[in-house]
Amino acid sequence: QKEVEQNSGPLSVPEGAIASLNCTYSDRVSQSFFWYRQYSGKSPELIMSIYSNGDKEDGRFTAQLNKASQYVSLLIRDSQPSDSATYLCAVRGNTGGFKTIFGAGTRLFVKA
Amino acid sequence: DAGVTQSPTHLIKTRGQQVTLRCSPKSGHDTVSWYQQALGQGPQFIFQYYEEEERQRGNFPDRFSGHQFPNYSSELNVNALLLGDSALYLCASSLMGAEQYFGPGTRLTVT
Repeated sequence: QKEVEQNSGPLSVPEGAIASLNCTYSDRVSQSFFWYRQYSGKSPELIMSIYSNGDKEDGRFTAQLNKASQYVSLLIRDSQPSDSATYLCAVRGNTGGFKTIFGAGTRLFVKA
Repeated sequence: DAGVTQSPTHLIKTRGQQVTLRCSPKSGHDTVSWYQQALGQGPQFIFQYYEEEERQRGNFPDRFSGHQFPNYSSELNVNALLLGDSALYLCASSLMGAEQYFGPGTRLTVT
């Protein structure tokens, strides 16, 4: 079992729709969760971080965390063609310097 | 406010050679982590440096080594290069190991 699992996609949504990206993780003691966006040929860009159960909203993005189910998701409202990228879920076990584990990413295509 | 910078941007090396990659963290950050990203995969953690010491290491052989300088900048060294070392090498900086911000990466090709 992979430590952080994501559906590789591609996930295709029409412009203006809600894109839903999901991630599961295996380490129950994980404390910190991150979503990164990576455009082709570029480095990952931090979108959201979430540390406690529930929802966290930032503009068009909402991160959702359920530690009991070991599940974290990212919703993108009013999807735009510029949102087309690979979205990486990342999980860290404890506070401080512990390593961050990344999923392989989900490719998102937003059709104009 | 300067973000994370890395050099060089691209590098081509031959099997068996050695390479050094460099990273300058975002202003105000004190922690540097290095990642290897193969095509179609997520970044894989190599190691993290804080206060000039390696704080944690991922599943990479001893051929991969690093260093952090007093100004928080860092180097990644890879010895005895293999074809499989071809990848995008990413540096990420953070304050006390919190949210990490990535540099543009160094694309290493081993022939």
